[in-house]
Order: sequence, then C-alpha cells, then structure tokens
Amino acid sequence: AQSVSQHNHHVILSEAASLELGCNYSYGGTVNLFWYVQYPGQHLQLLLKYFSGDPLVKGIKGFEAEFIKSKFSFNLRKPSVQWSDTAEYFCAPESGSNYKLTFGKGTLLTVNP
Amino acid sequence: DTGVSQDPRHKITKRGQNVTFRCDPISEHNRLYWYRQTLGQGPEFLTYFQNEAQLEKSRLLSDRFSAERPKGSFSTLEIQRTEQGDSAMYLCASSTAGFYGYTFGSGTRLTVV
Repeated sequence: AQSVSQHNHHVILSEAASLELGCNYSYGGTVNLFWYVQYPGQHLQLLLKYFSGDPLVKGIKGFEAEFIKSKFSFNLRKPSVQWSDTAEYFCAPESGSNYKLTFGKGTLLTVNP
Repeated sequence: DTGVSQDPRHKITKRGQNVTFRCDPISEHNRLYWYRQTLGQGPEFLTYFQNEAQLEKSRLLSDRFSAERPKGSFSTLEIQRTEQGDSAMYLCASSTAGFYGYTFGSGTRLTVV
C-alpha cells in the first residue's frame, strides 16, 4: 500500500522568503503525483500534478514541484511566498487501481506579513 | 456553480442516531470518491464509485457505513448508530474517465455528541 510522508507539520515564514515542503512516498512503480492546497475556510484545490515527462512541474500561483524518482520525492517549492499563501498543503500520490489518491498529513504554512 | 456539491455542510447528531450525507459530483465525472478527514490528518480514503458501481471500500468503512450511487449520478453516505469517533469532515470528490486529479466538494462536518 502507498504511504506518504510530509516532513514538516507547520512552517512559518515571512513574506518574500523561499519555500520548500518535503514529500516522500513509498510506491516504487509508476506513480502520478499531486499537491493540493486548502486555504482557510475553503475546499481542497489542485495546486499541481505530475504524470510523466519533465520532472519539474509548474502549478498555479507560482508554485512548482520536482519529481526525483530515485529519492521517491516530490517536493513543493516557491521562490517568494506571499501572505495569501497561508494554507495547508497536502501531497498525494496516486497509484494502483481506481486512481485513488493517498494523502499525507499535510503541512500548515503560515506566512507573516 | 458547476463544482462538487455536498449537503449538509454541518451536521450535529446524538450518539446512536443515523445520518446521511449527499454528494452531487460534476455532471460529466464518472468517478466519485468519499474521504474522511480528522483534525491534523490528511483525507483518508473511504470508498470509490465508477458510475453506479462501488469498486473499492476501505477497511475504515465499517459495517455501520454504507454508500450508494444510484444511476451513477449523486451519491449518499449513510452512517448508522453513530459513535463519537465518527466525528470528522466527510469529503466527496469526483474525476473524469481521463484522470487528471480530483475536484473536491466543501465537505460535510459531522459532530457526534
């Protein structure tokens, strides 16, 4: 069964700081990878996804993620965070049958103005 | 709004009562998923429908839980004889046959008192 590890439970940054959130998954086969974001009071939204090809994928709002197969990692990055990026971020690999996503526990990002 | 709709948004019930939640997916999405999210955790998979067929159920889905998707459109999740441990956010998500990730609803927050 797929398992997901998000290394940081809560990250606190100041505006304009750079962000990197770690995600490691366990499944060794073909895997599709997703990051979802949940802004305060809102539902989960797709931030970016990786299916194949260029391992560096770009998402909405300036976010990007790099797939490193040898490390089973899919870390999320943003060069300069804004206060509006305050949210909870979930890494979710998809593997196996039924296109089922397995979610990590999430990382709460707080950006101070 | 053509997103995923869930009803009700909040439900408070007494222990031992039955509750039913409804999910209306995006109309052209044939895949429908139910997840449960508790505080400090990521969403956990409960069950999956492809059209009207329930193709996968998690071990989290005890015999007190039942889900249906008649006619492959809306879905219901029923919890019988609710327990305090059932208190959680119940999330519904849908996706197309050509999988590009889920679209989530806003969830139903269940509180069992």
